[in-house]
Amino acid sequence: DTAVSQTPKYLVTQMGNDKSIKCEQNLGHDTMYWYKQDSKKFLKIMFSYNNKELIINETVPNRFSPKSPDKAHLNLHINSLELGDSAVYFCASSPDYGLAGVKTQYFGPGTRLLVL
Amino acid sequence: AQSVTQLGSHVSVSEGALVLLRCNYSSSVPPYLFWYVQYPNQGLQLLLKYTSAATLVKGINGFEAEFKKSETSFHLTKPSAHMSDAAEYFCAVSDLAGGTSYGKLTFGQGTILTVHP
Repeated sequence: DTAVSQTPKYLVTQMGNDKSIKCEQNLGHDTMYWYKQDSKKFLKIMFSYNNKELIINETVPNRFSPKSPDKAHLNLHINSLELGDSAVYFCASSPDYGLAGVKTQYFGPGTRLLVL
Repeated sequence: AQSVTQLGSHVSVSEGALVLLRCNYSSSVPPYLFWYVQYPNQGLQLLLKYTSAATLVKGINGFEAEFKKSETSFHLTKPSAHMSDAAEYFCAVSDLAGGTSYGKLTFGQGTILTVHP
């Protein structure tokens, strides 16, 4: 059973289109994340949700909008795609972010987005 | 603010040789430190983590790392490299929850490990 899954695995689209990437975790975790890995393999956090509530929102363009319908899902919608959005997007989850300390984050396989 | 620096974007070793991947961190609070591995076209897999218990941490696949506060380092080692260790390795730091960072991971630039026969 896949712990953190993402769909699609590959996404090729034209500039200006709107696309969504879905993420689901079956680990019962409370916190989910989106990371972006650019062409130089640099990984940077974009968003984090805890129990469907946004808790981290890094300096990401408004064209990116995360949506969490329930704590097992965190989807990423991207409007008006630009060439610079081409990257690998990773979803991750962890038990919680609470005061007991940081818990391990488990990553999905990634979605490779190519904007033409 | 936290940051991670991995010295050397590429490390090449012979099979059976010692693997040493360097990681230095900067954090204003006691850090939690992680090493992740990424095989080609795959997601990140946790190798090991330091969470303020023992300073020498053992992980999967024979890897270990030592937390040295005085040197702000968390270098990853393996006594004998295997061909299957070829991958990209990421060091990451996270501060204690309760601050504004809420447990987010800050990653280093990654180190590609090549293993020669």
